[in-house]
Amino acid sequence: DTGVSQDPRHKITKRGQNVTFRCDPISEHNRLYWYRQTLGQGPEFLTYFQNEAQLEKSRLLSDRFSAERPKGSFSTLEIQRTEQGDSAMYLCASSLGDLAKNIQYFGAGTRLSVL
Amino acid sequence: GDSVTQMEGPVTLSEEAFLTINCTYTATGYPSLFWYVQYPGEGLQLLLKATKADDKGSNKGFEATYRKETTSFHLEKGSVQVSDSAVYFCALSATLNDYKLSFGAGTTVTVRA
Repeated sequence: DTGVSQDPRHKITKRGQNVTFRCDPISEHNRLYWYRQTLGQGPEFLTYFQNEAQLEKSRLLSDRFSAERPKGSFSTLEIQRTEQGDSAMYLCASSLGDLAKNIQYFGAGTRLSVL
Repeated sequence: GDSVTQMEGPVTLSEEAFLTINCTYTATGYPSLFWYVQYPGEGLQLLLKATKADDKGSNKGFEATYRKETTSFHLEKGSVQVSDSAVYFCALSATLNDYKLSFGAGTTVTVRA
């Protein structure tokens, strides 16, 4: 068990550029989540997948954001035409589909800075 | 909507002091409640959880009891160590069918030797 892995750890980009982040969940976990955390705040839910199906998207996920999990394993989060307000830590988590537990394991996050 | 409110920080304590971080929640159903901890430079880790009223979660000397009557899930530790310095987040998942977590803003705890 290598834990949840996120890549890159840090990303600096210019406003208007597109960025893509990757998340590799714990191998047997069928649920995968994306959260966003800004300085001094708790994580905010963005979206989640059960296997390859994207089951819920937050209203925080504007049209510029898209997430995929093509084979039910790793996931990508893409932000198009980045804005300075997108600067945040993007967290990925995974869990087993166990209704009674819902224990989510988090990666270390990708810190995005939009200049 | 469902939400969590936790005590503002930062909190600074001496080693062996008693720690309590208040957390209250608002939810329409019967949520599951969690405390997550984020040590410096590391990702969020589950500290403890409780899934129904009067359940007590415990781990690493920390405890929290799910109080439905006061809609609270306060975190306590009787004797803190320097290694407990971290940011602590209270969180809920609204129902057993709703997997997303709603987090509080976090409380920064610093323990001095």
